[in-house]
Amino acid sequence: GPKVLQIPSHQIIDMGQMVTLNCDPVSNHLYFYWYKQILGQQMEFLVNFYNGKVMEKSKLFKDQFSVERPDGSYFTLKIQPTALEDSAVYFCASSLLGGHTGQLYFGEGSKLTVL
Amino acid sequence: SQWGEENLQALSIQEGEDVTMNCSYKTYTTVVHWYRQDSGRGPALIILIRSNEREKRSGRLRATLDTSSQSSSLSITAAQCEDTAVYFCATEGTGSKLSFGKGAKLTVSP
Repeated sequence: GPKVLQIPSHQIIDMGQMVTLNCDPVSNHLYFYWYKQILGQQMEFLVNFYNGKVMEKSKLFKDQFSVERPDGSYFTLKIQPTALEDSAVYFCASSLLGGHTGQLYFGEGSKLTVL
Repeated sequence: SQWGEENLQALSIQEGEDVTMNCSYKTYTTVVHWYRQDSGRGPALIILIRSNEREKRSGRLRATLDTSSQSSSLSITAAQCEDTAVYFCATEGTGSKLSFGKGAKLTVSP
């Protein structure tokens, strides 16, 4: 089936550093998402993105977070600066359609460890 | 929160048994997604049920949706070891956002 690729699969950084998580969504998809999951807990919505713009973001999407998809390349999540509480697995997802018809396809996750 | 506290479940069953996982939600939705997440992997959609479908089947899976009580269930018939995973229900809120419940960790033993 359709695949969403995430790079890196695992990153360890020091608190205060910047990190960029990359997502290669399904090729013809139009809607993109980031979710955060702390080990053993539920998936928490961070942000969704369509037509070059953030559509909606949650309270977890702090000012230090930003997303972009320049020129149809990777959909990225940047955290600058990172904090200890940013340690989690970040999942990227994409869907062809939004609203009530869009099945989300998730990547395998990028595990971020902030020391 | 979008979800009721009863969404947190851990279930252990034997192969061949049937199992039902429940979720309840607080915010109106017209569709409930059920995802499964294998250890170390991303979630994958297994069944989606809309408000005009009180019941939906896919192989050994059966989902129900009761919009009046704002609850949904996922049943697995004759569970197999490979059904071991965490199962999440998710509802669609404003825009294209999916909100996930706490999940149910299912362990199927031989």
